[in-house]
Formats: sequence, C-alpha cells, structure tokens
Amino acid sequence: GAGVSQSPSNKVTEKGKDVELRCDPISGHTALYWYRQSLGQGLEFLIYFQGNSAPDKSGLPSDRFSAERTGGSVSTLTIQRTQQEDSAVYLCASSFYYTGELFFGEGSRLTVL
Amino acid sequence: AQKVTQAQTEISVVEKEDVTLDCVYETRDTTYYLFWYKQPPSGELVFLIRRNSFDEQNEISGRYSWNFQKSTSSFNFTITASQVVDSAVYFCALSEAHDRYQLIWGAGTKLIIKP
Repeated sequence: GAGVSQSPSNKVTEKGKDVELRCDPISGHTALYWYRQSLGQGLEFLIYFQGNSAPDKSGLPSDRFSAERTGGSVSTLTIQRTQQEDSAVYLCASSFYYTGELFFGEGSRLTVL
Repeated sequence: AQKVTQAQTEISVVEKEDVTLDCVYETRDTTYYLFWYKQPPSGELVFLIRRNSFDEQNEISGRYSWNFQKSTSSFNFTITASQVVDSAVYFCALSEAHDRYQLIWGAGTKLIIKP
C-alpha cells in the first residue's frame, strides 16, 4: 500500500518477554518516527531517524527499548523484558525531510500481561 | 522552553453547532511551525494543517478554519456546522526551526459530536 504499514496490529505478551514491532514507511520518506500513546493520553516521542544520520534516541524510556532502521527504510522497535507499564499503542510515522507533515501508521497495540 | 497547551480536555456539542479548539504555544524561536492533527476513533492520526510563523493569514478549508494569532501565541481550530464524523481527538503541535524534526505535542482535545 501507499501508507505507513505497521505490524503486528495487536500483540499480547507475557511480562519479561521480548517483542519486536515493525514499521514500513512510505517509500521515499527519509524521516521515521516512533511514538508511544498510552490509553487516552497524548503522544510520547521515542526515537527519530533521518536519512543516514545518527538517530535521536532521546525519548527512549529505558535501555530495554531499542530501534533500528535498515537500508533507510523499514524500522524495528524492540522492547526487551517487557513490563506491564510498556502496554500502549506504538505509533510509527514517516515524513519527507523536515516538513513536519507526518504520515502515521495505524499503530501496534501492545498488551503486557 | 517550548510548550503546547490544549486546555480543553474534552468538548461535547450537538451536531451542527460550531466549535473551537484552543491551542496556545510557547517558543523562543522567531521561526516555527504549527500543526493540527486529527485522531478519529479508528486510531490513525491524520495531518490537517501546517502553518509557519511568518504567515498569519487565517486558513479555511471547507468547514474547518484556523486562526493564527502571534500576539496571543494561539493557533485555534474552528469547525463550523459540526458533524458526527468530526468526533475525534485533535492534537496541536509545534516545531521550531532549529530543531524542525522534533514536534512538541499538546495533550489533545477530545471532541464529541452528538447527533
């Protein structure tokens, strides 16, 4: 499709397990963002990739969170040793350079039991 | 420090009423950008508008209009003749020229349009 694609759309896991969330941005978009949105809350910035530059990881809440972007395209957000407080919707967005017009995916809803 | 305030947590109106969503921002930059995004119940955030700090003209798009006032650091969003499909959470956001990729988001306003 032409939009931002995220998978899985829903993930239920047990506390302590690792999870991987995938984001496939719009082709040609150089910027990719990960945000977290807890139920009824606003957007919490996690990490930002722009082209070949070093990512801005300033929003990652702990060292259990990491993300990579391969070939300037697909990105994977990994959460190790999941905790219940990690339960949220993880949103991926992409944009063309710094336009600020972000195109969001539908999100990956993570539930940690 | 930069900040975006959406003081209205939730607004409920009856269909066909006009409604205004407030957004107040703080920034020290002279060049900045303001945005509105819509998040319908389905969950996917949708871009509505971008405004740069040098363009204070109001914008109208169908039933939607935006009032940018630098004097009050506000970028308010008005929906005229609201419809049930307008029900969503609306986010206002700010980015500054020196750090353009980093959007500062407001907490969002949940808009409920009752039939």
